[in-house]
Amino acid sequence: NAGVMQNPRHLVRRRGQEARLRCSPMKGHSHVYWYRQLPEEGLKFMVYLQKENIIDESGMPKERFSAEFPKEGPSILRIQQVVRGDSAAYFCASYGGGSYEQYFGPGTRLTVT
Amino acid sequence: AQKVTQAQTEISVVEKEDVTLDCVYETRDTTYYLFWYKQPPSGELVFLIRRNSFDEQNEISGRYSWNFQKSTSSFNFTITASQVVDSAVYFCALSDLIQGAQKLVFGQGTRLTINP
Repeated sequence: NAGVMQNPRHLVRRRGQEARLRCSPMKGHSHVYWYRQLPEEGLKFMVYLQKENIIDESGMPKERFSAEFPKEGPSILRIQQVVRGDSAAYFCASYGGGSYEQYFGPGTRLTVT
Repeated sequence: AQKVTQAQTEISVVEKEDVTLDCVYETRDTTYYLFWYKQPPSGELVFLIRRNSFDEQNEISGRYSWNFQKSTSSFNFTITASQVVDSAVYFCALSDLIQGAQKLVFGQGTRLTINP
């Protein structure tokens, strides 16, 4: 999983604030996945993006959550008006180069107070 | 729909014992991949193995071995001569192929504790 960068590693937000999570995929990878891990649970798929396109957002909550992967720069997962239930670890993974392995970043741990 | 079941929520063994983590999956796809990941207390996800649905050969890597059986839709993971450093949460995952790439469906995880 070396090479996938996520920042910040830890993020604390008060209820109602916005959270922005960033993911820089491995060099040469143009596919990014976001997963959410609620406390004591497994990871759940949220969204799959390619450069400038959302391919599958079937796991994204309908409101307050959005994701983008611009032509230049990292992928951003944005959570508006955070609530306590958004507290979780958010992982991104990148994929590309003909391999079926997803390389995971270290995760961003979001705490909503 | 894809589903992965890890029935063992927690396992605790004494160091040097062998331990097997169970994974049962459901899929309608004929081509899929199965994965195991380790999540140590530090929280990152460590890739352990990927197995193609067409390859039922068992695999061994040091103290780790995997038993893939399509007939029972199982992909079990065995640690031989366990060590304290093996303590972690282990996730089994199944790929869901979409547009040439995959989203992973994870099991709930098995928390493995190796006691000295």
